[in-house]
Amino acid sequence: DAGVIQSPRHEVTEMGQEVTLRCKPISGHDYLFWYRQTMMRGLELLIYFNNNVPIDDSGMPEDRFSAKMPNASFSTLKIQPSEPRDSAVYFCASREGVDSPLHFGNGTRLTVT
Amino acid sequence: GNSVTQMEGPVTLSEEAFLTINCTYTATGYPSLFWYVQYPGEGLQLLLKATKADDKGSNKGFEATYRKETTSFHLEKGSVQVSDSAVYFCALITGSGYALNFGKGTSLLVTP
Repeated sequence: DAGVIQSPRHEVTEMGQEVTLRCKPISGHDYLFWYRQTMMRGLELLIYFNNNVPIDDSGMPEDRFSAKMPNASFSTLKIQPSEPRDSAVYFCASREGVDSPLHFGNGTRLTVT
Repeated sequence: GNSVTQMEGPVTLSEEAFLTINCTYTATGYPSLFWYVQYPGEGLQLLLKATKADDKGSNKGFEATYRKETTSFHLEKGSVQVSDSAVYFCALITGSGYALNFGKGTSLLVTP
């Protein structure tokens, strides 16, 4: 079991550029979550999917953020255009079922200059 | 709504000291409660959990008891090690929800 795989590990970009973060959940997991972690706000849930369908995106901060899950083994989080306040660590996590533990990837550290 | 409040860190302890990290919660219904641990440069990992009142979760010498009367789930360890240095997150999920609500995390530093 390779765990949840996120790429890239680090991303540095200039304000206004498009950023795409990628996630491969654990095979067989039906739920996928995107979280953002900052010192000020801690861990914030952005969006989650069940069986590739977005269920709750109320945590997505603005229309600049979008997430997709085209199939059970891949999800993307896109920010367009990026801003310095988007700098954070973005985590993807997956879970097999409602009562199963959450498995996190190692995160993508995004820096927008 | 649901929320979790953790004690502010950082917490600095000497090796073999006793650890307590406080966690209280507000929830509708009957939540399940969790502690997750985050080591530097990594994602969060489940440390322990409790699904109903008076349950005690335990793992790697850590334990926490689900106290409904005080809406608390404090994390304890009798003798910490340097390798326990990490950030600890308290979290909950209710039966009507599918996503965990996390506290802000408490940083623990254990010195030799």
